[in-house]
Amino acid sequence: NAGVTQTPKFRILKIGQSMTLQCTQDMNHNYMYWYRQDPGMGLKLIYYSVGAGITDKGEVPNGYNVSRSTTEDFPLRLELAAPSQTSVYFCASIPGPYSPLHFGNGTRLTVT
Amino acid sequence: RKEVEQDPGPFNVPEGATVAFNCTYSNSASQSFFWYRQDCRKEPKLLMSVYSSGNEDGRFTAQLNRASQYISLLIRDSKLSDSATYLCVVTRGTGGGADGLTFGKGTHLIIQP
Repeated sequence: NAGVTQTPKFRILKIGQSMTLQCTQDMNHNYMYWYRQDPGMGLKLIYYSVGAGITDKGEVPNGYNVSRSTTEDFPLRLELAAPSQTSVYFCASIPGPYSPLHFGNGTRLTVT
Repeated sequence: RKEVEQDPGPFNVPEGATVAFNCTYSNSASQSFFWYRQDCRKEPKLLMSVYSSGNEDGRFTAQLNRASQYISLLIRDSKLSDSATYLCVVTRGTGGGADGLTFGKGTHLIIQP
């Protein structure tokens, strides 16, 4: 039981490049979330999903896209990377409402 | 007033001391409250939920004051391993999904030998 797994752990992108941050969980959780955390700041919700085929925007969705074709996977896509997207990205899941979040180890992204 | 406010610290505390810090929230409709712990450059992990009557888990005590809209975390007999950033997390309303969570920026605690 690996929990929530994120890849890659680190990535450097040039401005305008695209990439996909992978997130997979093996706990059969319906709810999955993508957060970003800038230095000295709280976590901000980018996108979330309450089940396969259902996604919705969070607080800071601009510049990102997601899909949820399976219960296990919730990839986050950056189409045209910008320096403002330099951050640490966390994927998380919960089995249901009011449950504590299970976070992945994070992806540290730098856009230069 | 910000949704969730925490003193960023750092709080420098000698080992064995007791330390407490608060978190204020602006939404009186908030129903659920949590403390998460985040070690440097790692993912947050749930430390404890905060219940209306207050709750204790070993050396950690959490309290909720609805009238003044704050929650607190007390750590007794602090250990070096308690050094971390403590995140206050509050729901925006009555919904239970994590899309309704607001994270504070965290309070940085340093336990000194």
